[in-house]
Amino acid sequence: DTAVSQTPKYLVTQMGNDKSIKCEQNLGHDTMYWYKQDSKKFLKIMFSYNNKELIINETVPNRFSPKSPDKAHLNLHINSLELGDSAVYFCASSQVRQETQYFGPGTRLLVL
Amino acid sequence: RKEVEQDPGPFNVPEGATVAFNCTYSNSASQSFFWYRQDCRKEPKLLMSVYSSGNEDGRFTAQLNRASQYISLLIRDSKLSDSATYLCVVNAAGSQGNLIFGKGTKLSVKP
Repeated sequence: DTAVSQTPKYLVTQMGNDKSIKCEQNLGHDTMYWYKQDSKKFLKIMFSYNNKELIINETVPNRFSPKSPDKAHLNLHINSLELGDSAVYFCASSQVRQETQYFGPGTRLLVL
Repeated sequence: RKEVEQDPGPFNVPEGATVAFNCTYSNSASQSFFWYRQDCRKEPKLLMSVYSSGNEDGRFTAQLNRASQYISLLIRDSKLSDSATYLCVVNAAGSQGNLIFGKGTKLSVKP
């Protein structure tokens, strides 16, 4: 009965590879987000989707591409991984017009 | 000036102590304010929203001073389980759902 789930929890990969992280929420929320938390613990929004439409796209490299097949899912695909992509990636969701966001457990990405 | 600034701490306090965290934000047009809590290697979780009139939830009291662009969190009678990082969060004015997180203040409550 997990509200916001992410897979995988851990991801260790080589530089240059392409990887995807999946996120699903069963809260019936309209809006989903991707955040990056770097080694200094700074949590920063990357993308936001509302009903499968991109509404926030912060300055991230275009190697990062979000995809929302339906409003309960928001996946993150990363091409040509770089060392600096190593971080914890959190998915979150909220109801439209309400700003309380519920976070998934995070995906710890390590690029070697 | 950073968008949301907090003292990173750590604040090391004994059980039962009262501890206060402060936060300042740069955008005077921000309308929504929150405190989130993040345990080590876990996701952030909403602790409480912060209203202009101030609000209290058990041992936790949050205050907002719009004129000074300042938010505070007071924890009374600290418990060991309060040990965590407390994140001050402000919405980016004009962009719904775009929350700006401070770097957090680490609290460690000792027996």
